[in-house]
Amino acid sequence: AQTVTQSQPEMSVQEAETVTLSCTYDTSESDYYLFWYKQPPSRQMILVIRQEAYKQQNATENRFSVNFQKAAKSFSLKISDSQLGDAAMYFCAYGAQGGSEKLVFGKGTKLTVNP
Amino acid sequence: DTGVSQNPRHKITKRGQNVTFRCDPISEHNRLYWYRQTLGQGPEFLTYFQNEAQLEKSRLLSDRFSAERPKGSFSTLEIQRTEQGDSAMYLCASSNRDRVSGANVLTFGAGSRLTVL
Repeated sequence: AQTVTQSQPEMSVQEAETVTLSCTYDTSESDYYLFWYKQPPSRQMILVIRQEAYKQQNATENRFSVNFQKAAKSFSLKISDSQLGDAAMYFCAYGAQGGSEKLVFGKGTKLTVNP
Repeated sequence: DTGVSQNPRHKITKRGQNVTFRCDPISEHNRLYWYRQTLGQGPEFLTYFQNEAQLEKSRLLSDRFSAERPKGSFSTLEIQRTEQGDSAMYLCASSNRDRVSGANVLTFGAGSRLTVL
């Protein structure tokens, strides 16, 4: 079974600085998808960024980028120029290419942004 | 489209009572999911529908839990004889696979929080 591990329960960053959130996963599949979701306090979960495993190029979305290391099964999220609105729980998730339709989530990292 | 809608947002019930949650997905999405999230944890998969067919169920979904998606539109999740351990946030999500990449990108609702006293 696939598993997703987020080893940092909490992280903090100063406003305008850069922070990296870690995620590792375990799978025997070669084709899959990886996601970072953001869950602000008392608000719904929203997609931050996604990565297709068959793509070597790391995904970027404005201030958010990933470092995808397929061989190491590592998928970290970098947030540049952190803003107060980035404060939230961040969840890493794994999705299969075929077979099960579910996403497998990590336990999350709580990000605090200090002014 | 207003996104994925869930009702009620918060339900407080006594142990042993039955509760039902409703999810209205994004209209053009044919896939619908239920997840459970407890405090300090990530969402855990419960069940998945493609249109009206329930195609996947987690072992977490005990026989006290039942989900339906009549006519492939809205879905309901019913918990019978609630227990204190059922207290959690119940998240609904819907999706279509991306036509280009094939990625299954879920859009989540705000959740229904259950408190069992």
